Amino acid sequence: QVQLQELGPGLVKPSQTLSLTCTVSGGSISSGSYYWSWIRQPAGKGLEWIGRIYISGTTNYNPSLKSRVTISVDTSKNQFSLKLSSVTAADTAVFYCAREAALSDANWFDPWGQGTLVTVSS
Amino acid sequence: SSELTQDPAVSVALGQTVRVTCQGDSLRSYYASWYQQKPGQAPVLVIYGKNNRPSGIPDRFSGSSSGNTTSLTITGAQAEDEADYYCNSRDSSGNHYVFGTGTKVTVL
Repeated sequence: QVQLQELGPGLVKPSQTLSLTCTVSGGSISSGSYYWSWIRQPAGKGLEWIGRIYISGTTNYNPSLKSRVTISVDTSKNQFSLKLSSVTAADTAVFYCAREAALSDANWFDPWGQGTLVTVSS
Repeated sequence: SSELTQDPAVSVALGQTVRVTCQGDSLRSYYASWYQQKPGQAPVLVIYGKNNRPSGIPDRFSGSSSGNTTSLTITGAQAEDEADYYCNSRDSSGNHYVFGTGTKVTVL
């Protein structure tokens, strides 16, 4: 069964770039027609979709974050990554990676990683 | 602000039925998926597509939709169903995704 695990620094300074990696185990990131997504959740708040990537490299980003987000994939390492630039305290959140299945009229995220807390503070 | 609106909180007596709703224009064209999140845990998919449950999700969870509203119904709610529930679907452009505002379900 596929499992996802987020890794990265738990503390990032304001104005710097947040970098996270999601390692996929139990299956190949290249197999199947899946997208690979990032989602975040500030403490006590709701979920926010950040963006996704297909193994071809095609990406889609949340319009509100698009200017600061880059998602990439490394099929040789079975990983995909998130970079969020020019971070502020408002970017402090638990970040999740997830596998997404998408049809023409439906999509769903399953499974999810356990999440990693990233705090933006000097 | 989210394009998918949910009631902030609902409560249900143990063993009774509760419906959690999600409203948004995009739901006229796209099915939503539903996620259960317990404190300190990652969200878990409970319903996707027209009314599909992943393996391991009890059959007391079901989904339905009508017009701009999609619903998650828990029939015979159990204490372990107490959690936050989020819907997710495409935004009005159809090119991106958005989560609902979330509903806290309390089992009394």
